Amino acid sequence: RKEVEQDPGPFNVPEGATVAFNCTYSNSASQSFFWYRQDCRKEPKLLMSVYSSGNEDGRFTAQLNRASQYISLLIRDSKLSDSATYLCVVNKNYGQNFVFGPGTRLSVLP
Amino acid sequence: DVKVTQSSRYLVKRTGEKVFLECVQDMDHENMFWYRQDPGLGLRLIYFSYDVKMKEKGDIPEGYSVSREKKERFSLILESASTNQTSMYLCASTKQGMNTEAFFGQGTRLTVV
Repeated sequence: RKEVEQDPGPFNVPEGATVAFNCTYSNSASQSFFWYRQDCRKEPKLLMSVYSSGNEDGRFTAQLNRASQYISLLIRDSKLSDSATYLCVVNKNYGQNFVFGPGTRLSVLP
Repeated sequence: DVKVTQSSRYLVKRTGEKVFLECVQDMDHENMFWYRQDPGLGLRLIYFSYDVKMKEKGDIPEGYSVSREKKERFSLILESASTNQTSMYLCASTKQGMNTEAFFGQGTRLTVV
């Protein structure tokens, strides 16, 4: 079993739709959690950190459930520019061990 | 603007050649990483380093070695390149700590022929 698993995708949604991505991790010692975004042929970039209390940044909401070892990302009112691959990332050792999920590709269609 | 810089965007090498991929960061980060990214497999960790001259194997270290002689520089070495090492290679760095962001270089697309 992979240490970090994500919805296989791809997700094709119309502009304005709400889309949710799911991620599970297997190592209960994981300390911090992130969503990264990767555009085609570009490097991954941090989208947002994920906190136990849940956090929101504009149209993006991230949730963490430590008991279920589950992370989610919700995108509301999708824009064409949201089209990318979304990577769930887990940090196990104070910045020394980042484990990436395989990513879920999102295409927002006009 | 913070930066992680990889020496090449594209490389073509022959089977059996020794290949050096260089990565430099200007953020005084303790930790540096080399990943490879392949379609359907995601990002896989090759090696990481948490200090000068220190290195740790990641998930797929076979056929690779690394060098970290200075804090800002982390080199990935393919001792004898093979066609199955054709891939996108990404370098990253992080500061030591829990909620620390990983910054990536722009990637090197290596083709071994």
